[in-house]
Amino acid sequence: GQNIDQPTEMTATEGAIVQINCTYQTSGFNGLFWYQQHAGEAPTFLSYNVLDGLEEKGRFSSFLSRSKGYSYLLLKELQMKDSASYLCAVRDSNYQLIWGAGTKLIIKP
Amino acid sequence: GAVVSQHPSWVICKSGTSVKIECRSLDFQATTMFWYRQFPKQSLMLMATSNEGSKATYEQGVEKDKFLINHASLTLSTLTVTSAHPEDSSFYICSPVAGGVSGANVLTFGAGSRLTVL
Repeated sequence: GQNIDQPTEMTATEGAIVQINCTYQTSGFNGLFWYQQHAGEAPTFLSYNVLDGLEEKGRFSSFLSRSKGYSYLLLKELQMKDSASYLCAVRDSNYQLIWGAGTKLIIKP
Repeated sequence: GAVVSQHPSWVICKSGTSVKIECRSLDFQATTMFWYRQFPKQSLMLMATSNEGSKATYEQGVEKDKFLINHASLTLSTLTVTSAHPEDSSFYICSPVAGGVSGANVLTFGAGSRLTVL
């Protein structure tokens, strides 16, 4: 079967750095997405990785290792508004999106 | 670009009634539309995929006669929850895609519709 694993919940301190991991087992691979979702709102796009390596975009970076079936989202200089759920999604060989259950990130002052 | 309008943002209805949710792509043509639902503290669950002018393809466990999807134009798709029951209470989100799924490296979502069935 296909599945994506993410930690259920993480806690971090304002101003710090946090890394949210995502491991996946899918039938093929055609890209990995990270989305941020605040409670009661739709997901908003953060990053897309299709090649191995690190993609940096401001305070957020995303890393992919296809051979390991592994990605992480790195958030720097955490702000209170970063408290949200972070969703990892992988597109398989049939271009079907497989979604992780999301990681709830709690930022403390 | 990629502006999506989804209405209503929230709706409360009585058990047994039907509710229609609209999703419009305002500045692009959506050849494919994904409809998701999300229960509290859970991730997105794909309900169905529709291509403009074709019948929707439903995921296993999703009743096609209960969740009617219409994708009659490239800018509008509707999801109708027929004879809604309390267990249908959820957050419904549309995701229109332009130009074929394979080329999309940014997926756009509507703002979501929170349905509460009393």
